Amino acid sequence: DAGVIQSPRHEVTEMGQEVTLRCKPISGHDYLFWYRQTMMRGLELLIYFNNNVPIDDSGMPEDRFSAKMPNASFSTLKIQPSEPRDSAVYFCASRIQGERNEQYFGPGTRLTVT
Amino acid sequence: AQKITQTQPGMFVQEKEAVTLDCTYDTSDPSYGLFWYKQPSSGEMIFLIYQGSYDQQNATEGRYSLNFQKARKSANLVISASQLGDSAMYFCAMGGKTGGFKTIFGAGTRLFVKA
Repeated sequence: DAGVIQSPRHEVTEMGQEVTLRCKPISGHDYLFWYRQTMMRGLELLIYFNNNVPIDDSGMPEDRFSAKMPNASFSTLKIQPSEPRDSAVYFCASRIQGERNEQYFGPGTRLTVT
Repeated sequence: AQKITQTQPGMFVQEKEAVTLDCTYDTSDPSYGLFWYKQPSSGEMIFLIYQGSYDQQNATEGRYSLNFQKARKSANLVISASQLGDSAMYFCAMGGKTGGFKTIFGAGTRLFVKA
């Protein structure tokens, strides 16, 4: 079975540019999560979706960040305009509603904003 | 509010010995789940083990076991017979209904296995 797929794996961009991160969850999973990981702040939940609907976006740092899930197999996280402090590893994770609710993570996208 | 605390920033263990990574949590949910994830230097997050708050027995998955003490609100991870490949960052996490079933993560413990 394919796990969570993220692209690109690495992204280097200049300050002010738009960045789009992509995620394909595990087929059949009805929850999708976007996290950001930095040395200073650890693993932070940015937003999560249930059945393609955003449920909680309280972790989105500011209006420069937006996320969409147009269908059950695809989600994007967009940063516009990007800033150096956005440099981090961005993880997408998915899970299926059930007894255990464990999440399965993608490999992450390492974003560097110069 | 829900909270996860991992008080050990780093731990050393000799190869083939057992090691315990500490995790305490706080929640008002009557029902919740506790998880451990491993993050090796390659960066991926790997799900290791799950414990439900109503489970009577401690969870085990191969060399991993979870020492669940509900009254103390602790969910320590025990790794038996440590291997060099166990060197990684380990995160404790919790999910419950109050938080909308989202999972919160601790700060992590970095484990170093010595040959």
